[in-house]
Amino acid sequence: AQSVTQLDSQVPVFEEAPVELRCNYSSSVSVYLFWYVQYPNQGLQLLLKYLSGSTLVKGINGFEAEFNKSQTSFHLRKPSVHISDTAEYFCAVYRLTGGGNKLTFGTGTQLKVEL
Amino acid sequence: ETGVTQTPRHLVMGMTNKKSLKCEQHLGHNAMYWYKQSAKKPLELMFVYSLEERVENNSVPSRFSPECPNSSHLFLHLHTLQPEDSALYLCASSQDNGGNTYNEQFFGPGTRLTVL
Repeated sequence: AQSVTQLDSQVPVFEEAPVELRCNYSSSVSVYLFWYVQYPNQGLQLLLKYLSGSTLVKGINGFEAEFNKSQTSFHLRKPSVHISDTAEYFCAVYRLTGGGNKLTFGTGTQLKVEL
Repeated sequence: ETGVTQTPRHLVMGMTNKKSLKCEQHLGHNAMYWYKQSAKKPLELMFVYSLEERVENNSVPSRFSPECPNSSHLFLHLHTLQPEDSALYLCASSQDNGGNTYNEQFFGPGTRLTVL
């Protein structure tokens, strides 16, 4: 079984400040890891993913995340946020199985960027 | 239309009503999913269809009934719902190659359901 923990339900930050959204996972097997973003009244959009290779992954809109196997973490970072980054962010773990592909999500972190 | 579309975007229904949610994908995928998104809870996978066959049903109450008539369409039929069923219902699609390969899931905008 696998699970995803997002400890911060809300993160307020001022515009142009750096931000880190935390994600920890547990799994008995190797995993694929993802960050999704959900803007108000919209569905989920893939921000970035880690499948293999370099542990530092770059995504859209200037976001990046680092896979740390020893700490079972996949924290999301952005060096300078913009008002338009205000959204909910979901970390997810991917389980491979025949017959559909299964994502397990965290509870989400609401990022609120203020002027 | 492109991507994954869902209709209606908003739905209010009484506990005795029968309604259906519709999802359509324009991506040529062969797998479709229903998720439930409730406040302060992780997204819950409800149903998975691959090649039009249901491959997963995560202990969802029988008042939710999915239907996948073809690889492009997915329905969720609702009847005698409870107020705690109020949530955002998201549809997604992906390609399923049946093996150990990753294929991205693409999400629709969701249907906001309110049960009175």
